[in-house]
Amino acid sequence: QLQLQESGPGLVKPSETLSLSCTVSGGSIASSGFFWGWIRQPPGKGLEWIGIINYIGTTNYSPSLKSRLTISVDTSENQFSLILSSVTSADTAVYFCARWSTSSGFFDSWGQGTLVTVSS
Amino acid sequence: DIQMTQSPSSVSASIGDRVTITCRASQGVRSFLAWYQQKPGKAPNLLIYNASHLQSGVPSRFSGSGSGTAFTLTIRSLQPEDFGSYYCQQADTFPLTFGGGTKVEI
Repeated sequence: QLQLQESGPGLVKPSETLSLSCTVSGGSIASSGFFWGWIRQPPGKGLEWIGIINYIGTTNYSPSLKSRLTISVDTSENQFSLILSSVTSADTAVYFCARWSTSSGFFDSWGQGTLVTVSS
Repeated sequence: DIQMTQSPSSVSASIGDRVTITCRASQGVRSFLAWYQQKPGKAPNLLIYNASHLQSGVPSRFSGSGSGTAFTLTIRSLQPEDFGSYYCQQADTFPLTFGGGTKVEI
């Protein structure tokens, strides 16, 4: 059974860099037909797509975050990561990692999510 | 970007009721539309993909329909475990976008 688990600091200071990792277990991150993505949800609000990456490093980013965003993959560790620079309070959210199907474009497996708060 | 608009934003219904949630896209997304259920403090759970295909393990009381710009999620006979928020997501064009959500209260 595929499982995804986010990890990283829960508190980041304004103007600094947010870094999260997602470890995939029960399956290979190099599986064909899938990308691996990040989605976030500010407290009490809806879902926002951040970006996706596949096992060879092909990415697609949200235009609103692209200038501050890097998503990378480490196939040896079966994990992928998110780096968001110059954060503000607007980046406070629960961050989810998930598997994305290229055939139909849906997210079929999700991590439990991790809350990241941007505050001094 | 394709804007996804859900209605209603919230609905209160009784056990056994039929509940319908609508999702409209600002431009056509063919059938590349998914529906998710999210319970408080949990990750979203995929219910429907390709507008009308039921994800494995999802009860048959859930169904989806539509194509192009208008889509519907129907819960045929509402059960206590169906409370939560429901989101649509288009996958026709990047950036991927979600609807604003519909909160279902029992």
